[in-house]
Amino acid sequence: EIVMTQSPATLSVSPGERATLSCRAGQSVSSNLAWYQQKPGQAPRLLFYGASTRATGIPARFSGSGSGTEFTLTLSSLQSEDFAVYYCQQYNNWPFTFGQGTKLEIK
Amino acid sequence: EVQLVQSGAEVKKPGESLKISCKGSGYSFTRYWIGWVRQLPGKGLEWMGIINPGDSDTRYSPSFQGQVTFSADKSISTAYLQWSSLKASDTATYYCARLSAVAGEFDSWGQGTLVTVSS
Repeated sequence: EIVMTQSPATLSVSPGERATLSCRAGQSVSSNLAWYQQKPGQAPRLLFYGASTRATGIPARFSGSGSGTEFTLTLSSLQSEDFAVYYCQQYNNWPFTFGQGTKLEIK
Repeated sequence: EVQLVQSGAEVKKPGESLKISCKGSGYSFTRYWIGWVRQLPGKGLEWMGIINPGDSDTRYSPSFQGQVTFSADKSISTAYLQWSSLKASDTATYYCARLSAVAGEFDSWGQGTLVTVSS
């Protein structure tokens, strides 16, 4: 099973600033990586697939990058609705696995 | 509009059985795998496995193999997750989600079903 490690566990950022979240795979997952956003009491929402392809309706201030074992989710000019928990998920190898999440909180 | 609607919250005792449901609408139900994801209280997401509603082919994550059973009734566009003997450690929110037709991401999610197991 591929272990996905996200860092940091918690990130404190002020509204309007930029946030960079990392996800590292225990072995190469090529570009077979997705990012999700989860707000309290809600189901997760797909943000990116293929490491960098935005899902429908995701604003351009969100960007995804990386391949192999290192991936990054960047949120530029944070809005109040962006504060949430973010998860990466690999789908290159069975079983598919999630990272443990990064909580993005207001500074 | 794609929708996955899950059954309501459940409170059960240890040793009891349970079957929760996930009804799809707004798309061809048999053309997409349905997955199940567990979220323990205050914790992250865990990938449980997937089922093909068209032929009921199933793939379980090793951590959940033998612990739960996936099934589906394509005539009513509904997938199920069941336990034969619940444990307190099964207390969690369970999400169903549609697996993308192109790759391995979940592109639509149900609202979640909270299962509480307590004596």
